[in-house]
Amino acid sequence: NAGVTQTPKFRILKIGQSMTLQCTQDMNHNYMYWYRQDPGMGLKLIYYSVGAGITDKGEVPNGYNVSRSTTEDFPLRLELAAPSQTSVYFCASSGGFEAFFGQGTRLTVV
Amino acid sequence: DQQVKQNSPSLSVQEGRISILNCDYTNSMFDYFLWYKKYPAEGPTFLISISSIKDKNEDGRFTVFLNKSAKHLSLHIVPSQPGDSAVYFCAATFYSGAGSYQLTFGKGTKLSVIP
Repeated sequence: NAGVTQTPKFRILKIGQSMTLQCTQDMNHNYMYWYRQDPGMGLKLIYYSVGAGITDKGEVPNGYNVSRSTTEDFPLRLELAAPSQTSVYFCASSGGFEAFFGQGTRLTVV
Repeated sequence: DQQVKQNSPSLSVQEGRISILNCDYTNSMFDYFLWYKKYPAEGPTFLISISSIKDKNEDGRFTVFLNKSAKHLSLHIVPSQPGDSAVYFCAATFYSGAGSYQLTFGKGTKLSVIP
């Protein structure tokens, strides 16, 4: 059972570089989310999507972009990486209240 | 402004005893509450939930209690086992139409069950 799959698992970026975090789900869920977790903190919502072609900002969207061209995929784009974006990123999907999470991407910006 | 608060960053419990994890919330619109469990290097996994129309939900060793008037919920684990050692996140949500089911998380409580 694949569920929610995130790639890569780890990445080190230099300041100013860009990258895309990939997320795909095979549960046919309409709702998808990107969260970040900083040390000692809870998960904060970056962006979310209620279906293909529809995205909206969450609590901490600055410095990120998303797209949702298919039900399955919800990539997160960092355009100009900054040290403040060092974090663990989790993608999730849901068909209702309960969200299913991927294993996370640990990103370090140096 | 933290809408979901877990005031205990950590908790240690002896194996076989009860673990009680607490969570407070401030937003009266929340009508569904969830607990997630997270092991290191893994994503959070759903554990148990409760609707605001109930005050208790039980699933095996795990029971969640909701006190709406106090805006407080708690997770009881009985008996606690070493494999329960993890970070537990409290989360709350409501359906906001176009906003879908956005989960608001607490900061987590790290539970250590001592053999």
